Amino acid sequence: SQQGEEDPQALSIQEGENATMNCSYKTSINNLQWYRQNSGRGLVHLILIRSNEREKHSGRLRVTLDTSKKSSSLLITASRAADTASYFCATDEDSSNTGKLIFGQGTTLQVKP
Amino acid sequence: EAQVTQNPRYLITVTGKKLTVTCSQNMNHEYMSWYRQDPGLGLRQIYYSMNVEVTDKGDVPEGYKVSRKEKRNFPLILESPSPNQTSLYFCASSNWYQETQYFGPGTRLLVL
Repeated sequence: SQQGEEDPQALSIQEGENATMNCSYKTSINNLQWYRQNSGRGLVHLILIRSNEREKHSGRLRVTLDTSKKSSSLLITASRAADTASYFCATDEDSSNTGKLIFGQGTTLQVKP
Repeated sequence: EAQVTQNPRYLITVTGKKLTVTCSQNMNHEYMSWYRQDPGLGLRQIYYSMNVEVTDKGDVPEGYKVSRKEKRNFPLILESPSPNQTSLYFCASSNWYQETQYFGPGTRLLVL
């Protein structure tokens, strides 16, 4: 089952601009995570936000979480060509308590130099 | 260096020929998991393990087996591969309490 759904599916911006990606989910969660994947490579963890947090920052990344709307957004500020990658949100299932993550299909970001 | 390793990274095989993809982590993580990634379908969990000798099915377990005899290793076994198992496979591990999952580099499998 696909819990996290990202929007948009693809995003193309110029270097220096900000990129915003959104994620929606269906069930209650303990936390939501964002991962980055460079083409054909393994996923790299970016940031984790817990259900009792509303906003979190890490370097040029800002993540928000709205549990009432079951949605999250990832903002990358002052984008660089090296930020070109696919970005996935992942949620745990609050009721399962198995540590299982459910991934969305991702947003493909292209940053043009 | 903390890492998850997978072998082989690339594999071409034929239908029905048993194969094993190995996964090893050096972070003493309790939780390990296998995913497959397919275009348009995202990442789907195949099997997971919460500790040694404890494994359970994920969303797409059919055609796969796993074992967890040691904490660091979690091999994925395809007893009789079929073309619909052609995919990109990822192993991941996490410290249960930290929840962040660390992914291996991926194994690209082609079944002819």
